[in-house]
Order: sequence, then C-alpha cells, then structure tokens
Amino acid sequence: LAKTTQPISMDSYEGQEVNITCSHNNIATNDYITWYQQFPSQGPRFIIQGYKTKVTNEVASLFIPADRKSSTLSLPRVSLSDTAVYYCLVGDMQGGGNKLTFGTGTQLKVEL
Amino acid sequence: NAGVTQTPKFQVLKTGQSMTLQCAQDMNHEYMSWYRQDPGMGLRLIHYSVGAGITDQGEVPNGYNVSRSTTEDFPLRLLSAAPSQTSVYFCASSYRRLAGVREQFFGPGTRLTVL
Repeated sequence: LAKTTQPISMDSYEGQEVNITCSHNNIATNDYITWYQQFPSQGPRFIIQGYKTKVTNEVASLFIPADRKSSTLSLPRVSLSDTAVYYCLVGDMQGGGNKLTFGTGTQLKVEL
Repeated sequence: NAGVTQTPKFQVLKTGQSMTLQCAQDMNHEYMSWYRQDPGMGLRLIHYSVGAGITDQGEVPNGYNVSRSTTEDFPLRLLSAAPSQTSVYFCASSYRRLAGVREQFFGPGTRLTVL
C-alpha cells in the first residue's frame, strides 16, 4: 500500500502562502497524487491532482519532484476560510489504482 | 444534478441491530466507495466498487456488506451493529480513468451512533 505522511497541523496568517508537504515513499509508477480539503461536518472536497512536475489550478498548485516520493500543496494568500483539514492521497495499484487510502491529514489553522 | 446523496443523515442503533446506509449518484460514475471517519481521524476505506456487479474490500471491511446492482446505487449494510461502528460514513463516486481514479465527489455523510 502506498502510504502517506503529512504534518499533523500547521498555523498561518491571512495573506500568507502555505505549503503542505506529503511524503509517499512507496508510490507506484502509475499512481497519481491527489489532495482534498475537508471542513468540519462535511465530506472532503477535491483540490488538485497531479502525476509529476507542477500542476496549477484556480485555487492551488501542486509540486512533485522527479523521484515522486513527496509532493507539496501550495495555497497562495490564504484566508480564514481556508482553515480546514487537508489530505494527500496516492492511488494504490494493488486495487487497480482504485483502492485509495486517506492519511491522517494536516489541520491548517489560518488566523488574522 | 444532485451529485452524491446519502440517507439517512443521522441514525441511532442499538447493539446487534442491522441497517442499510443508502448512497446514490446521478453522474453515471463507474467508481463508488464507502469511507468511515471516526472523531478527529482521517477517512478509512470500507468497500469500493469499480462498476455494477463488482465490489472489493478496503482497509476496514469487517462488519459491513455492499452490493452494486446498478451504476447509481451503492448501499452499505451493517450486519450486526457494534459500538465500535459509531462513526460518520461518507460515500463517494468518480469516473474511473485508465490510470487510476481522478476526482472523487463525496456525499454529505451519515452520522451513526450505536448504543
């Protein structure tokens, strides 16, 4: 199983850039890296997904080094509403790429 | 589109009772899954399905059964409820791509308490 390791928590202030790193040493060749955001009492929400190098969308960027053993989610200019738990997932090829496992996530707290 | 819907939103059971959590999606997604989330913890995969008639176990399948008779529905059955199954249950669906699963859409969750 491709397990992931993330920091348990991070603190930031409004307007700052936040980088959350995820370690996935056992990532398989065909695995994708996906990040989700979860607010209290809600289901997770997709943020971004990538395979290698850099991916950017309207809310975040994802940086993946050449060895793909880690990835970094970058949130530009965070606001109070970005306070949430962020999960990094890696596709598990044991289940044909469908047996996705959530790690413990990173609790991001944004303050004024 | 309603997306992923789950019923009921809340449920209280007594130990030993059985029940079925319902999950439906109207996006024609091949892939569906069930997760449980205990207080302050991450999500753990219970069962998943890559299409109608095909299901497989996740990391915590004991005490749960699933079936997938249609593309739209993926019910989760608790056979004999135990207090350890007190949790929030999330259903999710996604298109199944050639190289793994892409974006999963999650339902609002069912909050289950077993006394």
